[in-house]
Amino acid sequence: KQEVTQIPAALSVPEGENLVLNCSFTDSAIYNLQWFRQDPGKGLTSLLLIQSSQREQTSGRLNASLDKSSGRSTLYIAASQPGDSATYLCAAVNTGSYQLTFGKGTKLSVIP
Amino acid sequence: EPEVTQTPSHQVTQMGQEVILRCVPISNHLYFYWYRQILGQKVEFLVSFYNNEISEKSEIFDDQFSVERPDGSNFTLKIRSTKLEDSAMYFCASSTGTDGGTEAFFGQGTRLTVV
Repeated sequence: KQEVTQIPAALSVPEGENLVLNCSFTDSAIYNLQWFRQDPGKGLTSLLLIQSSQREQTSGRLNASLDKSSGRSTLYIAASQPGDSATYLCAAVNTGSYQLTFGKGTKLSVIP
Repeated sequence: EPEVTQTPSHQVTQMGQEVILRCVPISNHLYFYWYRQILGQKVEFLVSFYNNEISEKSEIFDDQFSVERPDGSNFTLKIRSTKLEDSAMYFCASSTGTDGGTEAFFGQGTRLTVV
């Protein structure tokens, strides 16, 4: 059974800092891995999708990498802004399945 | 930009009552999903739906739950005889492609409170 873990659970950084959020998964037989943003009491906003054949994806100040062999993905946020404050979730889809298995998330606070 | 729409945003129901949560997936999407998030916990998969039938379901999705696509646009989750532990945020999602290889888009959720 796939297990997804995110470390750290919470992170506080000053505005302008570059930061890395970590995601690990136990079963490397994945189709893809997706990063989401969740604001308090709100839905999930898709940030980046990395297919299993890809090593990384970029969107604006966000860059996500995937290393299937080690069961790890990272989300890099450049030049953080207070508006980036939210919980960031990673989720994996296993081969032969349709379901996303989520981590518990990293709660990011960017201090002005 | 196309989005997944869920109604209502918040529903309060008494224990033992039936509730129906409604979703309008993105129009050209073929796969539909329900997830839930109990306060402070992980987002959990409930069920996936394709070609008018359930394609996968989790252990959580027992006989108390059912899904339906009553017409060409709506996708519903019915919970019969609600329990206190059903209180959670319920998310609908949809995606376009096959074999789980495409991006899933989520709605804003329905917060269900069972009292």
